[in-house]
Amino acid sequence: ETGVTQSPTHLIKTRGQQVTLRCSSQSGHNTVSWYQQALGQGPQFIFQYYREEENGRGNFPPRFSGLQFPNYSSELNVNALELDDSALYLCASSPTGGTEAFFGQGTRLTVV
Amino acid sequence: TQLLEQSPQFLSIQEGENLTVYCNSSSVFSSLQWYRQEPGEGPVLLVTVVTGGEVKKLKRLTFQFGDARKDSSLHITAAQPGDTGLYLCAGVPGGYNKLIFGAGTRLAVHP
Repeated sequence: ETGVTQSPTHLIKTRGQQVTLRCSSQSGHNTVSWYQQALGQGPQFIFQYYREEENGRGNFPPRFSGLQFPNYSSELNVNALELDDSALYLCASSPTGGTEAFFGQGTRLTVV
Repeated sequence: TQLLEQSPQFLSIQEGENLTVYCNSSSVFSSLQWYRQEPGEGPVLLVTVVTGGEVKKLKRLTFQFGDARKDSSLHITAAQPGDTGLYLCAGVPGGYNKLIFGAGTRLAVHP
């Protein structure tokens, strides 16, 4: 059974640029959620995708957007990067109707 | 806004000691989860508690969900260096599939 994988593991971007982060969900899981974890904080919910549709969104601006593909993999896109966007971005997959989240190792984004 | 407050923020103890981590909220959650996170890794699920008053044991770790489903605790008996890590509690609000995380308790167990 393949777990949740994220790419890239590390990324450095300049303020104002755009970034795309990728996530492959665990086999059999059709729900993907994205979280932002700032240094010294717990993860904050960004949004969730279920069957290619957004299924809930946290308190993040519209420049944070996402996609889910037919194979349940997902992308997180962030436009007009700001310094405060520097964080660990975590992807988690869940089985249908399940609340337990299985996390990837995360993508460490640094905005300079 | 539903918040989860964890205490203490940091805990540094010697091998063999016992410890308790607390997770408190003014809101009711349909369930509560505990995760452990190592540096450079994503959180790993330890346990889910669903029923008010529920107690679950995982080897030397004991988890309890408050009767009112607003708070939880994690007790570790005879801590070992391998227990070192960031412990996160996460609540599931009723009717939603998102997780609301506390800020975490960073535990260091010294040999």
